[in-house]
Amino acid sequence: QVQLVESGGGVVQPGRSLRLSCAASGFTFSAYAMYWVRQAPGKGLEWMAVISYHGRNKFYADSVKGRFTISRDNSKNTLYLQMNSLRVDDTAVYYCARDGGTYDNPSYWFDTWGQGTLVTVSS
Amino acid sequence: EIVMTQSPATLSVSPGERATLSCRASQSVSSNLAWYQQKPGQAPRLLIYGASTRATGIPGRFSGSGSGTEFTLTTSSLQSEDSAVYYCQQYNKWPLTFGGGTKVEIK
Repeated sequence: QVQLVESGGGVVQPGRSLRLSCAASGFTFSAYAMYWVRQAPGKGLEWMAVISYHGRNKFYADSVKGRFTISRDNSKNTLYLQMNSLRVDDTAVYYCARDGGTYDNPSYWFDTWGQGTLVTVSS
Repeated sequence: EIVMTQSPATLSVSPGERATLSCRASQSVSSNLAWYQQKPGQAPRLLIYGASTRATGIPGRFSGSGSGTEFTLTTSSLQSEDSAVYYCQQYNKWPLTFGGGTKVEIK
């Protein structure tokens, strides 16, 4: 079945870096745009980043632009989020999510979500 | 940035009753609106896209309506398993934005 599994979360000090991974299975990963969405403890959802199906196009929320980098390896069916210069307010559960469309017809809504990985930024 | 405002913040409904959730956009998003359900400790689940199209596997008791700036998610006959937080999301303009959520409680 369609599945997304995030990993790489943990506790990190402010200013340090962390890389999240999202392993996809059960579908043609290379056909879909992919996203990272986060949720601070007890708060709502916040879109972070998107990458096109081929990986050439990327777009970020202002809150992480210049600090976070989204990437993908279609040969490994894996999505990544490199997070640098982490701040306390980056503490959240990070979800990867799949776009509802394919190839050059993205939908910009999220039809499949992973279970999330918790990132805690604390000294 | 398009600001999405959901109301009420919390809704308490008896089983079998109708639940009506509202989502308002700060500017028109046409019909580019999705709804998600999130239960405690779980990832969100897509319910509705295109303002009114149910996602695969979503029960018929869930329906969405609206366009422009005013949207509604209705559960026609609330079941105990519908206790969750519901979020709307606009995808008409970048950045993609979510509402703050409505928590639905079962009386």
